[in-house]
Amino acid sequence: DAGITQSPRYKITETGRQVTLMCHQTWSHSYMFWYRQDLGHGLRLIYYSAAADITDKGEVPDGYVVSRSKTENFPLTLESATRSQTSVYFCATRSSRVGYTFGSGTRLTVV
Amino acid sequence: KNEVEQSPQNLTAQEGEFITINCSYSVGISALHWLQQHPGGGIVSLFMLSSGKKKHGRLIATINIQEKHSSLHITASHPRDSAVYICAVNTGNQFYFGTGTSLTVIP
Repeated sequence: DAGITQSPRYKITETGRQVTLMCHQTWSHSYMFWYRQDLGHGLRLIYYSAAADITDKGEVPDGYVVSRSKTENFPLTLESATRSQTSVYFCATRSSRVGYTFGSGTRLTVV
Repeated sequence: KNEVEQSPQNLTAQEGEFITINCSYSVGISALHWLQQHPGGGIVSLFMLSSGKKKHGRLIATINIQEKHSSLHITASHPRDSAVYICAVNTGNQFYFGTGTSLTVIP
């Protein structure tokens, strides 16, 4: 199906473990984003990418790593998960024609 | 200071009422976006605009570039409009989001 797919939808992990959240788009939108959403903070930008092999930090990048070797994939890795990284994570693309398109979100719990 | 401010933070309306949500921003922008998020749900883009006015069904979005202000209007509100509405702007490669307006429409 066309669109933007995030996986997994739900994830529970232990403190200190590495975890990767996947994001895949079936279009060729240049821009891709990772946001986290927490009560009282709204959406906060973690990292974004303007094109393959180009990534930039957002507002809250510490503890996260991204890569974009292919236009359609933008994985987000928590190198050593902490409880403060418990959140809902949204991946999004943006095009000049249609604006933002968001994935369904990944609910991550770090115990 | 937030680059994007929304008001009100919370809004309760009776079904059928005309609703306005406001967004003010402090940066020069390339585009302004209105997003909708239903409880427990995903985020949907409603509008992207850089000038003037756009309409989609019962939703109308306006922007005044000089005043750095945008409004989202909902005519003949319905309980299914209950959601969080988020204003977002981008300027070049900088992206800013408001904290959202939580709307509840009571039957």
